[in-house]
Amino acid sequence: ETGVTQSPTHLIKTRGQQVTLRCSSQSGHNTVSWYQQALGQGPQFIFQYYREEENGRGNFPPRFSGLQFPNYSSELNVNALELDDSALYLCASSWGLSGNTIYFGEGSWLTVV
Amino acid sequence: AQKVTQAQTEISVVEKEDVTLDCVYETRDTTYYLFWYKQPPSGELVFLIRRNSFDEQNEISGRYSWNFQKSTSSFNFTITASQVVDSAVYFCALSEENSGYALNFGKGTSLLVTP
Repeated sequence: ETGVTQSPTHLIKTRGQQVTLRCSSQSGHNTVSWYQQALGQGPQFIFQYYREEENGRGNFPPRFSGLQFPNYSSELNVNALELDDSALYLCASSWGLSGNTIYFGEGSWLTVV
Repeated sequence: AQKVTQAQTEISVVEKEDVTLDCVYETRDTTYYLFWYKQPPSGELVFLIRRNSFDEQNEISGRYSWNFQKSTSSFNFTITASQVVDSAVYFCALSEENSGYALNFGKGTSLLVTP
């Protein structure tokens, strides 16, 4: 039990639609990051938020966007869904930006049809 | 270029055997961190260990042990007396100062422990 909770756990969307995934970070953690994990692959870094500001981004297009709220919870938004967006989306939280341990939630399984 | 290489895609062992999972990393940073995570079929990534680049002391925790060698850029993970519950995908990850400490994962090693 990491204290990182994500919702929804599973969802199915149609190509072209938009989706919002939500994450509550572990108590006391002010950094949230999001990762995409395609089937059979390692997680890929999407972006990171620190104190409500984006603090790093991986190789993902602008239709992947996010927010971090004052309580450090976070959202991941994906517009114009494509079939290749089907994946497990993992939220992670940590304290600060100095390589501290990063704890993951159970993920949101997104299927795009 | 892949910064974390886990050359073993799949490993199958019989219960009670020892098994070592290999991880080789690449970085130019002097300050970096290495992690191992376990991912059971449910999907959640379970944190196992974190090591910083200044601490090469190897560690044993119960049936788990880790061997960090900067000279060979390796951070290997050994399970002693494996159990069926150890079956999962194991990921090695690198966190570097120059990339904001985001995790850069290897492709994972799928471990199957059979009775």
